[in-house]
Amino acid sequence: DVVMTQSPLSLPVTLGQPASISCRSSQSLVNSDGNTYLNWLQQRPGQSPRRLIYQVSNRDSGVPDRFSGSGSGTDFTLKISRVEAEDVGVYYCLQGTHWPKTFGQGTKVEIK
Amino acid sequence: QVQLQESGPGLVKPSGTLSLTCAVSGGSISSYNYWSWVRQPPGKGLEWIGEISRSGSAKYNASLKSRVTISIDKSRNQFSLNLTSVAAADTAVYYCANTWDVWGKGTTVTVSS
Repeated sequence: DVVMTQSPLSLPVTLGQPASISCRSSQSLVNSDGNTYLNWLQQRPGQSPRRLIYQVSNRDSGVPDRFSGSGSGTDFTLKISRVEAEDVGVYYCLQGTHWPKTFGQGTKVEIK
Repeated sequence: QVQLQESGPGLVKPSGTLSLTCAVSGGSISSYNYWSWVRQPPGKGLEWIGEISRSGSAKYNASLKSRVTISIDKSRNQFSLNLTSVAAADTAVYYCANTWDVWGKGTTVTVSS
């Protein structure tokens, strides 16, 4: 199975400051079709997960542009340019290239 | 916009079978390629259970493979999860999703006698 390793697991951030989460996979996530199926999900407290980013860097509809994704191969990053109070929650990376699909452990973002 | 709603018993006895259904509304289940089940034990992260294609081909997490079945019912616009021989470790919030831009609200299943 592809292991997805996130860091840090806890991220205290000051409002208005940037935040960055790393996700590394144990194998390349480049699919045979040339696409890289790396997603970023946000789970606010008490809510179901919501996809923010798909295929590394594409924002889903309605996702604020302060969220951005980057990376390639086995190394990926989610950045929040200026953290707002509504960004509190747990962020997961999810790979959809290989079966079984696997999630990172989650990174808890909280306000300092 | 497609919406998903999980339903099923909230309490299942040990060694019993967990059966959940995900109703798809606002669109046809045949309009999307894959439908998935994911679970989240209390206070823990997300675990992929498996997925089914619109043609009915299913793939499962090997850790659950001998106990899990996912099926699709196009006539009812829904798909289902069956998990047999459940134990306390199967207690979780179970989510259905359309891989991965739409998620249900989740349903809590507790395994207890």
